[in-house]
Amino acid sequence: GENVEQHPSTLSVQEGDSAVIKCTYSDSASNYFPWYKQELGKRPQLIIDIRSNVGEKKDQRIAVTLNKTAKHFSLHITETQPEDSAVYFCAASPSGGSNYKLTFGKGTLLTVNP
Amino acid sequence: GAVVSQHPSRVICKSGTSVKIECRSLDFQATTMFWYRQFPKQSLMLMATSNEGSKATYEQGVEKDKFLINHASLTLSTLTVTSAHPEDSSFYICSARDPGTGDGYTFGSGTRLTVV
Repeated sequence: GENVEQHPSTLSVQEGDSAVIKCTYSDSASNYFPWYKQELGKRPQLIIDIRSNVGEKKDQRIAVTLNKTAKHFSLHITETQPEDSAVYFCAASPSGGSNYKLTFGKGTLLTVNP
Repeated sequence: GAVVSQHPSRVICKSGTSVKIECRSLDFQATTMFWYRQFPKQSLMLMATSNEGSKATYEQGVEKDKFLINHASLTLSTLTVTSAHPEDSSFYICSARDPGTGDGYTFGSGTRLTVV
């Protein structure tokens, strides 16, 4: 089955700096890669996703890059703000179809210091 | 966007009793829902895939007789934790995807189960 590795497990940055979280996956059949933000005690919220036919996607301060050959994808947050502090999870799925399950990375605790 | 409603949000039960958690897709039909368990400071671990009108598919190591899943309609899946023990205390969360919108998987709000 799919195995998703995520690094780092914790990341502390100063407000205004950039943050980068990296993930690798093992199943070459995976072609959907979402990123979730989870605040303490709350549900994961989708912040951005990318499909394997795209190498990069950007939404305001958030961007995701995908290298399908190397089987890795990364989340980039620019101009970080204290409200960006949360746990971030990457995930991979063999398809965007509703029947295919997500495999999650172990998460990255991001702390943005004012 | 797609909305998934999960109840209850918190439940405390005595050891040996059973607890039912409901997950509803409010504005779309979900033939498949996923049930996850999340221990403190850990990732989401898939427990089982709930399929409407058929048996659930359980992940390796998950006891199907302990975690009963029923997906009797296109909008409702339930997870029943039977004979709960303190080690079952965790955050249980469901998810589904609305295939009609292209959105990512949507999660329910989660259920914090505490077994005393």
